[in-house]
Amino acid sequence: DAGITQSPRYKITETGRQVTLMCHQTWSHSYMFWYRQDLGHGLRLIYYSAAADITDKGEVPDGYVVSRSKTENFPLTLESATRSQTSVYFCASTITDRAWDTEAFFGQGTRLTVV
Amino acid sequence: DAKTTQPPSMDCAEGRAANLPCNHSTISGNEYVYWYRQIHSQGPQYIIHGLKNNETNEMASLIITEDRKSSTLILPHATLRDTAVYYCIVRAGPASKLTFGTGTRLQVTL
Repeated sequence: DAGITQSPRYKITETGRQVTLMCHQTWSHSYMFWYRQDLGHGLRLIYYSAAADITDKGEVPDGYVVSRSKTENFPLTLESATRSQTSVYFCASTITDRAWDTEAFFGQGTRLTVV
Repeated sequence: DAKTTQPPSMDCAEGRAANLPCNHSTISGNEYVYWYRQIHSQGPQYIIHGLKNNETNEMASLIITEDRKSSTLILPHATLRDTAVYYCIVRAGPASKLTFGTGTRLQVTL
């Protein structure tokens, strides 16, 4: 199916475990993003990528690692999960980063619980 | 990017127009106004954006004041499915600067 998909939709993991959240888009958009959303907060940017092999930190990058070997995939890894990383994670993509046409497309989210 | 202020919540009767205000008094000349919404716990959905002219699409209308210090998103005939959190964002820079605040929770009622 065309669009942006995240997997898994729900994940429970233990403290200290490594976990990877997957994001796949079929539009060949250049830009991809990872956000987290916690109760009472808006979405906060974790990492973003302008193209394959180009990534950069967002507002809250600590504890996360990203890679982008292919344009369509942008996995987010929690190297050693902590309870504070319990959150809903959203992946998004845009065609460009120009201010006048940056409609962002979001995935359905991954609800991660760290116990 | 300019900071925005939105009311935390609003109610609207089904079939009536929903007018959601946003204050962005520090907006710069090259900053665009974007609106997104988030229904329940789904991913945010783009609605509309504009620079200084009013804009309309199949989902909504965006009215930007002449001094650009505020804007209003109008859903002309709100339905129960429009119940969501609506985010007003202003930005000029790259997409990495798309900053979501806490938005306005719109409740559409019968």
